[in-house]
Amino acid sequence: SQKIEQNSEALNIQEGKTATLTCNYTNYSPAYLQWYRQDPGRGPVFLLLIRENEKEKRKERLKVTFDTTLKQSLFHITASQPADSATYLCALDNDMRFGAGTRLTVKP
Amino acid sequence: DTGVSQDPRHKITKRGQNVTFRCDPISEHNRLYWYRQTLGQGPEFLTYFQNEAQLEKSRLLSDRFSAERPKGSFSTLEIQRTEQGDSAMYLCASSLVGQGDEAFFGQGTRLTVV
Repeated sequence: SQKIEQNSEALNIQEGKTATLTCNYTNYSPAYLQWYRQDPGRGPVFLLLIRENEKEKRKERLKVTFDTTLKQSLFHITASQPADSATYLCALDNDMRFGAGTRLTVKP
Repeated sequence: DTGVSQDPRHKITKRGQNVTFRCDPISEHNRLYWYRQTLGQGPEFLTYFQNEAQLEKSRLLSDRFSAERPKGSFSTLEIQRTEQGDSAMYLCASSLVGQGDEAFFGQGTRLTVV
């Protein structure tokens, strides 16, 4: 069965730096991959979707890459702010299985 | 509010009791998902519906869990004979497959089994 792994449980960075989160998957070839943000006590909120034929996608300070050879997606937040502190989740296409998430903390 | 709504937001029940949660998806969405989430973990897939058909159910679910989506609109998740290990946040999400595909989540129902 397919498996999703997010590189670390927690990532701490300084305000203004770029945060990079990793999502790896195995035993599957998704047509697309999604990234979500989740704040404590709330449901996840959709951020970006990247399809298998797209190498990179951007939205404001967010950038997602998708390498189907490496079976990996990278999620970048540039010029990070304390308000970006949250848990970030990836999910494989409409299978909608989630990784465990990476808890990002941006320190002022 | 045209988002996904879940009811109740909080539920405290005694061990052994049955509980039922409701999810109202975004009206035109054809797919509906249920998840369970415990502290520090990602959402754990339970089941999903395409319209009124339940297409997949996690092997992690015991027979105590059942979900329905009559008429392809709202959905209910029932847990029979609750156990303390069932304490978690139960999340519902909906999407319109083929039109964006992103899922919209409700605020969840927090279940505490005492």
